[in-house]
Amino acid sequence: SQTIHQWPATLVQPVGSPLSLECTVEGTSNPNLYWYRQAAGRGLQLLFYSVGIGQISSEVPQNLSASRPQDRQFILSSKKLLLSDSGFYLCAWRAGLLGRETQYFGPGTRLLVL
Amino acid sequence: AQSVSQHNHHVILSEAASLELGCNYSYGGTVNLFWYVQYPGQHLQLLLKYFSGDPLVKGIKGFEAEFIKSKFSFNLRKPSVQWSDTAEYFCAVVGTGFQKLVFGTGTRLLVSP
Repeated sequence: SQTIHQWPATLVQPVGSPLSLECTVEGTSNPNLYWYRQAAGRGLQLLFYSVGIGQISSEVPQNLSASRPQDRQFILSSKKLLLSDSGFYLCAWRAGLLGRETQYFGPGTRLLVL
Repeated sequence: AQSVSQHNHHVILSEAASLELGCNYSYGGTVNLFWYVQYPGQHLQLLLKYFSGDPLVKGIKGFEAEFIKSKFSFNLRKPSVQWSDTAEYFCAVVGTGFQKLVFGTGTRLLVSP
Protein backbone atom coordinates (compact mmCIF):
# COMPACT_ATOMS: atom_id res chain seq x y z
CA SER A 1 0.00 0.00 0.00
CA GLN A 2 1.01 3.58 -0.48
CA THR A 3 2.28 5.70 2.37
CA ILE A 4 3.45 9.28 2.57
CA HIS A 5 6.02 10.56 5.01
CA GLN A 6 6.92 14.05 6.07
CA TRP A 7 9.71 15.30 8.28
CA PRO A 8 10.34 16.87 10.51
CA ALA A 9 7.02 16.75 12.34
CA THR A 10 7.68 20.01 14.15
CA LEU A 11 10.18 22.75 13.51
CA VAL A 12 11.01 26.01 15.26
CA GLN A 13 13.22 28.33 13.24
CA PRO A 14 14.42 31.91 13.63
CA VAL A 15 13.48 34.57 11.12
CA GLY A 16 15.99 34.72 8.29
CA SER A 17 17.09 31.10 8.60
CA PRO A 18 16.78 28.58 5.74
CA LEU A 19 14.15 25.88 5.54
CA SER A 20 13.96 22.42 4.08
CA LEU A 21 10.92 20.19 4.52
CA GLU A 22 10.87 16.77 2.98
CA CYS A 23 8.07 14.60 1.70
CA THR A 24 8.46 11.07 0.38
CA VAL A 25 5.92 8.65 -1.00
CA GLU A 26 6.23 4.88 -0.93
CA GLY A 27 4.40 2.24 -2.89
CA THR A 28 3.76 4.17 -6.07
CA SER A 29 5.69 5.52 -9.01
CA ASN A 30 5.51 8.86 -10.80
CA PRO A 31 2.90 10.31 -8.48
CA ASN A 32 1.58 13.85 -8.72
CA LEU A 33 2.75 15.57 -5.55
CA TYR A 34 1.47 18.67 -3.79
CA TRP A 35 2.51 21.08 -1.05
CA TYR A 36 -0.22 22.85 0.91
CA ARG A 37 -0.14 25.28 3.80
CA GLN A 38 -2.89 25.19 6.38
CA ALA A 39 -3.51 28.34 8.39
CA ALA A 40 -6.11 28.61 11.11
CA GLY A 41 -9.47 29.67 9.72
CA ARG A 42 -8.20 29.76 6.17
CA GLY A 43 -8.39 26.17 5.01
CA LEU A 44 -5.68 24.70 2.86
CA GLN A 45 -3.81 26.76 0.32
CA LEU A 46 -2.05 25.00 -2.53
CA LEU A 47 1.56 26.18 -2.77
CA PHE A 48 3.18 23.93 -5.36
CA TYR A 49 2.48 20.83 -7.34
CA SER A 50 4.65 18.53 -9.40
CA VAL A 51 3.76 16.05 -12.12
CA GLY A 52 7.27 14.61 -12.38
CA ILE A 53 10.97 14.94 -11.61
CA GLY A 54 12.14 18.51 -12.00
CA GLN A 55 8.64 19.75 -12.88
CA ILE A 56 7.28 22.30 -10.44
CA SER A 57 4.25 24.55 -10.72
CA SER A 58 3.87 27.42 -8.31
CA GLU A 59 0.40 28.55 -7.34
CA VAL A 60 1.15 31.68 -5.34
CA PRO A 61 4.10 34.07 -5.25
CA GLN A 62 5.87 33.71 -1.95
CA ASN A 63 9.05 33.23 -0.05
CA LEU A 64 9.10 29.50 -0.65
CA SER A 65 10.30 27.20 -3.42
CA ALA A 66 9.89 23.53 -4.18
CA SER A 67 11.98 20.89 -5.86
CA ARG A 68 11.51 17.31 -6.96
CA PRO A 69 14.91 15.71 -7.20
CA GLN A 70 13.58 12.14 -7.29
CA ASP A 71 10.37 10.51 -8.43
CA ARG A 72 8.98 10.05 -4.94
CA GLN A 73 10.60 12.97 -3.16
CA PHE A 74 9.23 16.49 -2.91
CA ILE A 75 11.06 19.22 -1.00
CA LEU A 76 9.82 22.58 0.22
CA SER A 77 12.50 25.18 0.83
CA SER A 78 13.21 28.74 1.73
CA LYS A 79 16.43 30.71 1.77
CA LYS A 80 15.24 33.14 4.46
CA LEU A 81 12.18 32.47 6.55
CA LEU A 82 9.67 35.17 7.40
CA LEU A 83 7.35 35.29 10.39
CA SER A 84 4.45 34.84 8.00
CA ASP A 85 5.82 31.46 6.91
CA SER A 86 4.65 29.93 10.17
CA GLY A 87 1.97 27.34 9.63
CA PHE A 88 1.16 23.71 9.07
CA TYR A 89 2.60 22.30 5.85
CA LEU A 90 1.00 19.31 4.25
CA CYS A 91 2.27 17.15 1.43
CA ALA A 92 -0.17 15.16 -0.66
CA TRP A 93 -0.09 12.72 -3.51
CA ARG A 94 -2.76 11.99 -6.06
CA ALA A 95 -4.11 8.56 -6.88
CA GLY A 96 -6.79 7.16 -9.10
CA LEU A 97 -7.84 6.89 -12.70
CA LEU A 98 -8.11 9.90 -14.96
CA GLY A 99 -11.12 11.93 -13.92
CA ARG A 100 -11.46 10.06 -10.64
CA GLU A 101 -8.33 11.18 -8.83
CA THR A 102 -8.14 11.60 -5.07
CA GLN A 103 -5.50 13.36 -3.02
CA TYR A 104 -4.12 11.74 0.12
CA PHE A 105 -2.25 13.70 2.73
CA GLY A 106 0.80 13.18 4.85
CA PRO A 107 1.00 13.85 8.58
CA GLY A 108 2.26 17.40 8.09
CA THR A 109 5.02 19.60 9.47
CA ARG A 110 4.21 22.31 11.95
CA LEU A 111 6.56 25.25 11.42
CA LEU A 112 6.96 28.08 13.87
CA VAL A 113 9.11 31.01 12.83
CA LEU A 114 10.22 33.24 15.70
CA ALA B 1 -12.03 30.15 -10.94
CA GLN B 2 -13.18 27.52 -8.52
CA SER B 3 -14.13 28.43 -4.96
CA VAL B 4 -15.66 26.64 -2.01
CA SER B 5 -17.71 28.09 0.84
CA GLN B 6 -18.29 26.48 4.18
CA HIS B 7 -20.68 28.76 6.01
CA ASN B 8 -20.45 27.19 9.44
CA HIS B 9 -17.07 27.88 10.97
CA HIS B 10 -17.86 26.43 14.38
CA VAL B 11 -20.56 23.95 15.30
CA ILE B 12 -21.29 22.64 18.77
CA LEU B 13 -23.58 19.64 19.21
CA SER B 14 -24.50 17.21 21.92
CA GLU B 15 -23.99 13.51 21.36
CA ALA B 16 -26.78 11.85 19.38
CA ALA B 17 -27.73 15.11 17.68
CA SER B 18 -27.95 15.17 13.91
CA LEU B 19 -25.30 16.95 11.89
CA GLU B 20 -25.39 18.82 8.64
CA LEU B 21 -22.43 20.86 7.45
CA GLY B 22 -22.93 23.07 4.46
CA CYS B 23 -20.65 23.24 1.44
CA ASN B 24 -21.23 25.28 -1.68
CA TYR B 25 -18.91 25.58 -4.60
CA SER B 26 -18.52 27.88 -7.54
CA TYR B 27 -17.60 26.32 -10.84
CA GLY B 28 -19.56 25.94 -14.02
CA GLY B 29 -18.20 22.64 -15.25
CA THR B 30 -18.10 19.06 -14.08
CA VAL B 31 -16.62 18.66 -10.63
CA ASN B 32 -15.33 16.03 -8.27
CA LEU B 33 -16.21 16.69 -4.63
CA PHE B 34 -14.63 15.61 -1.37
CA TRP B 35 -14.98 15.86 2.35
CA TYR B 36 -11.87 15.51 4.48
CA VAL B 37 -11.66 15.30 8.26
CA GLN B 38 -8.86 16.24 10.61
CA TYR B 39 -9.16 14.78 14.10
CA PRO B 40 -7.23 16.53 16.87
CA GLY B 41 -3.54 15.80 16.50
CA GLN B 42 -4.03 13.69 13.41
CA HIS B 43 -3.49 14.21 9.71
CA LEU B 44 -6.09 15.03 7.11
CA GLN B 45 -8.11 11.97 6.12
CA LEU B 46 -10.56 11.37 3.31
CA LEU B 47 -14.11 11.03 4.60
CA LEU B 48 -15.95 10.56 1.32
CA LYS B 49 -15.89 11.56 -2.33
CA TYR B 50 -18.19 12.07 -5.26
CA PHE B 51 -17.23 11.59 -8.89
CA SER B 52 -20.45 10.70 -10.69
CA GLY B 53 -23.58 8.59 -10.41
CA ASP B 54 -25.73 8.42 -7.30
CA PRO B 55 -25.62 11.90 -5.77
CA LEU B 56 -25.90 10.47 -2.28
CA VAL B 57 -22.53 9.11 -1.26
CA LYS B 58 -21.67 7.26 1.88
CA GLY B 59 -18.35 7.53 3.62
CA ILE B 60 -16.63 6.19 6.66
CA LYS B 61 -17.96 6.35 10.21
CA GLY B 62 -21.59 6.78 9.19
CA PHE B 63 -21.14 10.02 7.27
CA GLU B 64 -22.88 10.75 4.01
CA ALA B 65 -23.08 13.67 1.62
CA GLU B 66 -25.52 14.70 -1.06
CA PHE B 67 -24.53 16.39 -4.28
CA ILE B 68 -27.22 18.77 -5.50
CA LYS B 69 -26.03 20.07 -8.82
CA SER B 70 -28.71 22.74 -9.16
CA LYS B 71 -27.65 24.24 -5.84
CA PHE B 72 -23.91 23.73 -6.31
CA SER B 73 -23.92 22.06 -2.91
CA PHE B 74 -22.34 19.03 -1.30
CA ASN B 75 -23.55 19.00 2.30
CA LEU B 76 -22.21 16.54 4.82
CA ARG B 77 -24.60 14.72 7.14
CA LYS B 78 -24.63 12.27 9.98
CA PRO B 79 -27.84 11.24 11.74
CA SER B 80 -26.32 10.86 15.20
CA VAL B 81 -22.93 12.29 16.14
CA GLN B 82 -20.56 10.90 18.71
CA TRP B 83 -17.99 12.58 20.90
CA SER B 84 -15.31 11.02 18.70
CA ASP B 85 -16.60 13.05 15.73
CA THR B 86 -15.04 16.15 17.25
CA ALA B 87 -12.77 17.35 14.46
CA GLU B 88 -12.34 19.89 11.71
CA TYR B 89 -14.12 19.13 8.46
CA PHE B 90 -13.06 20.41 5.06
CA CYS B 91 -14.99 20.40 1.83
CA ALA B 92 -12.98 20.40 -1.40
CA VAL B 93 -13.70 20.55 -5.09
CA VAL B 94 -11.75 20.07 -8.27
CA GLY B 95 -12.95 20.68 -11.79
CA THR B 96 -12.33 17.59 -13.88
CA GLY B 97 -9.08 17.93 -15.77
CA PHE B 98 -7.68 20.40 -13.27
CA GLN B 99 -4.77 19.78 -10.92
CA LYS B 100 -5.87 22.15 -8.21
CA LEU B 101 -8.02 20.86 -5.36
CA VAL B 102 -9.74 23.88 -3.82
CA PHE B 103 -10.63 23.72 -0.15
CA GLY B 104 -13.17 25.50 1.98
CA THR B 105 -12.02 27.21 5.16
CA GLY B 106 -13.19 24.30 7.30
CA THR B 107 -15.78 23.75 10.02
CA ARG B 108 -14.74 22.94 13.55
CA LEU B 109 -17.18 20.51 15.13
CA LEU B 110 -17.27 20.03 18.88
CA VAL B 111 -19.44 17.24 20.19
CA SER B 112 -20.09 17.36 23.90
CA PRO B 113 -20.65 14.07 25.72
